Amino acid sequence: QVQLQESGPGLVKPSQPLSLSCTVSGGSINSGDYYWTWIRQPPGKGLEWIGYIYSSGSTYYNPSLKSRVTISLDTSKNQFSLKLSSVTAADTAVYYCASYTTGTTYFDYWGQGTLVTVSS
Amino acid sequence: DIQMTQSPSSVSASVGDRVTITCRASQGISSWLAWYQQKPGKAPKLLIYAASSLQSGVPSRFSGSGSGTDFTLTISSLQPEDFAAYYCQQANSFPVTFGQGTRLEIK
Repeated sequence: QVQLQESGPGLVKPSQPLSLSCTVSGGSINSGDYYWTWIRQPPGKGLEWIGYIYSSGSTYYNPSLKSRVTISLDTSKNQFSLKLSSVTAADTAVYYCASYTTGTTYFDYWGQGTLVTVSS
Repeated sequence: DIQMTQSPSSVSASVGDRVTITCRASQGISSWLAWYQQKPGKAPKLLIYAASSLQSGVPSRFSGSGSGTDFTLTISSLQPEDFAAYYCQQANSFPVTFGQGTRLEIK
């Protein structure tokens, strides 16, 4: 059973980068069994998919955020990370890490989510 | 991007009621659709995948149907723990997109 846990600052200043990590347990980030993704949800609003990374290091980002997003792997820590540059108040959201089984695109494992507020 | 439109945005119902939520895709997505349940302060939970397949551990009162552009989620007999928000998600093409959500409230 895969378990995911987000970590990172809860408050980020406008124009600064947002950086979050997701620690994976119960499975290896290198296994190729899963795609590792980030999804966000502004307070009181719906879900927005940010992007994924695969064990090979290949990535795909939502075109709406592509110019500002980087997702990377840290295999030594069994983690993957999100970096979102030049944040504004519109980036205030609960950020979830999630995974889906290779061959599907259904998010079957989720972290608990972490609220990131962009404010000076 | 494929736009997903859910209706209604909110619905009030009573324990024991049968409830149906619909989701329409802006273009055909075959059966590449999932449904999620989200309770306040919690992550979404996968209920249905491939339009009609029940995720392991999900009660059988939940069912999904549809293909192409029109899909439904049905809860056959509402239980107190079912009052939550529900989202559809298309898995046909990237970027993955979600519906805006349906809030299921107690009448």
